[in-house]
Amino acid sequence: KQEVTQIPAALSVPEGENLVLNCSFTDSAIYNLQWFRQDPGKGLTSLLLIQSSQREQTSGRLNASLDKSSGRSTLYIAASQPGDSATYLCAVRTYNQGGKLIFGQGTELSVKP
Amino acid sequence: DTEVTQTPKHLVMGMTNKKSLKCEQHMGHRAMYWYKQKAKKPPELMFVYSYEKLSINESVPSRFSPECPNSSLLNLHLHALQPEDSALYLCASSFREESYNEQFFGPGTRLTVL
Repeated sequence: KQEVTQIPAALSVPEGENLVLNCSFTDSAIYNLQWFRQDPGKGLTSLLLIQSSQREQTSGRLNASLDKSSGRSTLYIAASQPGDSATYLCAVRTYNQGGKLIFGQGTELSVKP
Repeated sequence: DTEVTQTPKHLVMGMTNKKSLKCEQHMGHRAMYWYKQKAKKPPELMFVYSYEKLSINESVPSRFSPECPNSSLLNLHLHALQPEDSALYLCASSFREESYNEQFFGPGTRLTVL
């Protein structure tokens, strides 16, 4: 059964820092991995989707990488801003679980001015 | 139109009430999903509809009754809920149910059961 882990659970950084959020998964037979952002009490905003055949995806200040063989993904945020404060969730779709999204517990990010 | 909308934003109901949550998208997506999210936890899948037919029911209690009247609209009918059903209910959609498709989420309905 797929398990997704995100470390750290919470992170506080000063504005302007580059930072990395980690996501690991136990079953490498995945279709893809999706990173989301969630503001308190709000829905999920899709940030990046990486298909299993891809190594990375970029959108603005965000870069996500995928190493399927080691079961790891990272989300790199460049030049962090207070508006980046949110919970970041990664989710994978696994072949043997009907392709449904399996979420990690999230990393709560706080960027201080 | 590139978003998923949900109404109402907030809902308070008693255990004997009947209410409905509504989700709408106009992106031509033919797969729609209901998730439940408790505080500080990730979303949990409840139902999946594909081409207006129920594809997946994650063993959800019958007090939750989904409906997909057309390709743009998804409802969740609520009846005789329990206080532990209080949560954020999220709707999502994707182009098709196939697993390589990106899922897009709505803003959610915050449900409180008294």
